[in-house]
This record gives sequence, C-alpha cells and structure tokens, in this order.
Amino acid sequence: ETGVTQSPTHLIKTRGQQVTLRCSSQSGHNTVSWYQQALGQGPQFIFQYYREEENGRGNFPPRFSGLQFPNYSSELNVNALELDDSALYLCATGNRTTFSYGYTFGSGTRLTVV
Amino acid sequence: GEDVEQSLFLSVREGDSSVINCTYTDSSSTYLYWYKQEPGAGLQLLTYIFSNMDMKQDQRLTVLLNKKDKHLSLRIADTQTGDSAIYFCAESKVDSGGYQKVTFGTGTKLQVIP
Repeated sequence: ETGVTQSPTHLIKTRGQQVTLRCSSQSGHNTVSWYQQALGQGPQFIFQYYREEENGRGNFPPRFSGLQFPNYSSELNVNALELDDSALYLCATGNRTTFSYGYTFGSGTRLTVV
Repeated sequence: GEDVEQSLFLSVREGDSSVINCTYTDSSSTYLYWYKQEPGAGLQLLTYIFSNMDMKQDQRLTVLLNKKDKHLSLRIADTQTGDSAIYFCAESKVDSGGYQKVTFGTGTKLQVIP
C-alpha cells in the first residue's frame, strides 16, 4: 500500500468518448505527475501539477488535460479517445521539496479504447 | 534531448547476482533512479543516486554510476524469485519551468530461475 490510490482500476471506452481518471495521494503531496505506459514500454510523461497549476507538460496533445485539487487529489481527462490511448495510466505524487528523491506511484488505471 | 536505454531481458539463477544496465544521454541529469514494476502494479522506487555520486549501496542493491560514460547499473545480490519483475531506469532534471522532468527507460524484464 503506497498511499496513492487510483480509480478506476480498469476501464473500457469507445473511440471518440471522453474519460476521467482519478488519483488521490497522501497529505502533503503537493506535486502530481501523470504518465502513460503503453504495453511493453516505459512510462511517458504527460504533465505535472504543483499547487493546482500545470507546470510542465510532455509531448501530448491538448485533449489530455488535468486538474489538481486542494485535498491532494487530481484528475486526468482525455477527450476524443483514440485507439492508441489504450494504456496504463499512472499518477505519481510527492512533496516538491523531496520530489527529487523519487515519486510514489499509484497502481494505475488500465484504459482500453475499442 | 533525453533518452534512456536498457536491454530488454535478463535471466539469472536464484542465488546469483543480477546486473541490469542503463545508458542515458542527458549530462545535466541530477538524479537517477531504479524502479521495479511487478505484473499489474505501479512502479515502486527501489533506490536513487545523485549525479555527483559514484556508488550507492542499500542492502542487496548496489547502484554504480559512471557519469563520464552516462552509464548506470543496478546489481542485485543473491537474487530471489520475488525479484522477478520489470526494472526501469530513470533520469531527472529540473526543467526551465521549474518542474522536475523524469524520463524513463523501456524497462528490463528480470526472470529468476529457481
């Protein structure tokens, strides 16, 4: 048990639909990053939020968006789903001052787009 | 840009030592990490090393960093069947926007033979 919870654990969506994935973390974890991990690949950085604002983004289109809330929870929203969006989505949280010492990952949400 | 490479697969006998290797390209990386991912799970931080260190030991784990060659290795002593998993190398640096950017390798699958 890492203290970082993601929901749902599995999800099946149809191409063109929208999806919201959720992550809740420990108190004091003011930084959250979201990653996409395709099958057989390493995690790819989507974006990072700090104090409820996006402060870094990877090579993902604007239809990937996020929110971070004052209670240390966050969301990843994906619009206009494509088949290639099928992946494991991981959130990783920490406190900004100790983030360099490594993230705490959730177990992920497995998204399948059909 | 950042790129992290790992060999895809390693097979060892139980009780032997395992050595997983990684090369990275970004000389400005500040921290390097090793994460472990078991089937259906998120990533678990095993250890990290600051870029001005050469070696770090933590129980059965030894991390060696050759900054000149941009080569990182993870040695697992007395490998057990429970060590079977995918191991990810990752590098990080603080981006110009002030956020910590972490780049992961594609992972090395370690198979431990009883």
